[in-house]
Amino acid sequence: GQSLEQPSEVTAVEGAIVQINCTYQTSGFYGLSWYQQHDGGAPTFLSYNGLDGLEETGRFSSFLSRSDSYGYLLLQELQMKDSASYFCAVEGGGADGLTFGKGTHLIIQP
Amino acid sequence: DGGITQSPKYLFRKEGQNVTLSCEQNLNHDAMYWYRQDPGQGLRLIYYSQIVNDFQKGDIAEGYSVSREKKESFPLTVTSAQKNPTAFYLCASRAGTGLKEQYFGPGTRLTVT
Repeated sequence: GQSLEQPSEVTAVEGAIVQINCTYQTSGFYGLSWYQQHDGGAPTFLSYNGLDGLEETGRFSSFLSRSDSYGYLLLQELQMKDSASYFCAVEGGGADGLTFGKGTHLIIQP
Repeated sequence: DGGITQSPKYLFRKEGQNVTLSCEQNLNHDAMYWYRQDPGQGLRLIYYSQIVNDFQKGDIAEGYSVSREKKESFPLTVTSAQKNPTAFYLCASRAGTGLKEQYFGPGTRLTVT
């Protein structure tokens, strides 16, 4: 089976930097993805790491360490619109489709 | 504009009734997926299809059925055998396996009483 662990809630201040961690246990692994979901909305893709290291896309960066089964999402210059839930997800283990963590609710304070 | 549509946005049914959720995409994607999301939880995979006329069970397929007669369409039927059908249902598609990004529809919130 596959399981992912991420904090349930993180609070940060507007303009600051926040890191959301994700650890995973999988029977197979192709890569780690991150999705953003606003309340009542559809998840939207943020980033993907198939290899170890850092991927940067604007204010968002994502990191993967395959040997540690660990990754994180880094959000810089936080804006109020970044208030949302963030999910890490892995693909692997034989079935197509993603296995998601339970999500981290990010609260941005002014 | 290309995208995924799901209808309706809200659906109410009585216990014991089957209900079919619609999912249509005009992205020309081969792979389509159905996920279920419960409050405060992540998404769980119900069924997926990598090609027309073929589909596979995901992690929580019991009580659900699907069909894939057309590339654009992947309807999900929630049957009376599903013990806890009330949930937020999300359909997604991807251009092909091995590609990174899945595109999600707006979801259907199903309430069964």
